[in-house]
Amino acid sequence: AQKVTQAQTEISVVEKEDVTLDCVYETRDTTYYLFWYKQPPSGELVFLIRRNSFDEQNEISGRYSWNFQKSTSSFNFTITASQVVDSAVYFCALRAYYNQGGKLIFGQGTELSVKP
Amino acid sequence: GAGVSQSPSNKVTEKGKDVELRCDPISGHTALYWYRQRLGQGLEFLIYFQGNSAPDKSGLPSDRFSAERTGESVSTLTIQRTQQEDSAVYLCASSPPVSTDTQYFGPGTRLTVL
Repeated sequence: AQKVTQAQTEISVVEKEDVTLDCVYETRDTTYYLFWYKQPPSGELVFLIRRNSFDEQNEISGRYSWNFQKSTSSFNFTITASQVVDSAVYFCALRAYYNQGGKLIFGQGTELSVKP
Repeated sequence: GAGVSQSPSNKVTEKGKDVELRCDPISGHTALYWYRQRLGQGLEFLIYFQGNSAPDKSGLPSDRFSAERTGESVSTLTIQRTQQEDSAVYLCASSPPVSTDTQYFGPGTRLTVL
């Protein structure tokens, strides 16, 4: 069975603070992909990143960084120097490489509120 | 280029009525997905189309739900005899033929069943 858990339902920070969104996943597959999507108040999901299970190198994109640790089945997302525009619901998702259909298994989402 | 589009953006219907939701994928994308997002929840997979292959319907919650796709173009999700628990945002996503891994989402249709 596959499962994604985002234990933090809501997080509130003040602008310029760093914030980490946690994601823990479960899968029996040895090859899989992990994703993060952002859902701003407008509602449309925005793709942020995709990582495959063979690549544990952490990635940085501007103020965003991702820490993938296979040993703990975690794929955490950090926003450095948060801004009000970062306020959104963030979803972590899992897809098995050999999953027929390619469906994504989503976590429940973490609502991030960045206050000025 | 144009993204995934969905119509209508909002739909209010009465319990027991049928509804049709439409999705226009990104041109050239061979894979198309439907998901449902209940208020405050994550996305639940409903159905997947890939080219001319048989669709993966494993996520459809009941036989009141069905979907069609003509070739690699528009898809329609139909909900018959709607129930209040069907109220949700229905999201469509498509992905390109080179990689089926990254799905690009439309803005969704917010369905409210009274």
